[in-house]
Amino acid sequence: AQTVTQSQPEMSVQEAETVTLSCTYDTSENNYYLFWYKQPPSRQMILVIRQEAYKQQNATENRFSVNFQKAAKSFSLKISDSQLGDTAMYFCAFMKHPARFSYYGNNRLAFGKGNQVVVIP
Amino acid sequence: DGGITQSPKYLFRKEGQNVTLSCEQNLNHDAMYWYRQDPGQGLRLIYYSQIVNDFQKGDIAEGYSVSREKKESFPLTVTSAQKNPTAFYLCASNSAGTGFSPLHFGNGTRLTVT
Repeated sequence: AQTVTQSQPEMSVQEAETVTLSCTYDTSENNYYLFWYKQPPSRQMILVIRQEAYKQQNATENRFSVNFQKAAKSFSLKISDSQLGDTAMYFCAFMKHPARFSYYGNNRLAFGKGNQVVVIP
Repeated sequence: DGGITQSPKYLFRKEGQNVTLSCEQNLNHDAMYWYRQDPGQGLRLIYYSQIVNDFQKGDIAEGYSVSREKKESFPLTVTSAQKNPTAFYLCASNSAGTGFSPLHFGNGTRLTVT
């Protein structure tokens, strides 16, 4: 089974500054997806960014970017120009690549325990 | 608008009673999932279903049961055998198959058992 590890349970950052969240994972798979999900106080889970393991280029979505190090099994998230609305729990997640030729693709996610990010005005 | 609806948002039960949490989706997704969230534990998979009339245990299935009689619906029953049922429960769905499909989540149900 895949395991996802997040340290730094709570982090504070000043508005407009940058914060980086770390995530490591353990897998024997070669093809997989990695995700960062955001859970604000409303508790709605929101997909922030995803990375496909076979792509070397790091994914970027506006102010959110990742540093994907496949050999080290590391997947960190950088939030630039932090805004008050970024205050949330952030979860790192892993998904095996759906099996070829199989209708019953394994699309389940394994999550880390989360990092609480608080943006201070 | 397509989405996942979980009801109710808050649920209170007495210890020893079974309780069923509702999850309905109109996204035409094949796969549906139930996760449990506890403080400091992240999300843990309870049950999942890739197709109607079929479901699989996740990592913490003991004390829970599910059914998948319709594609749109995946209710979760928390039985009296679940030792620590108070938690936040999230339902999710995506398309099964060989292509990538992101997970869509409902807004969750907070269950309190006293």
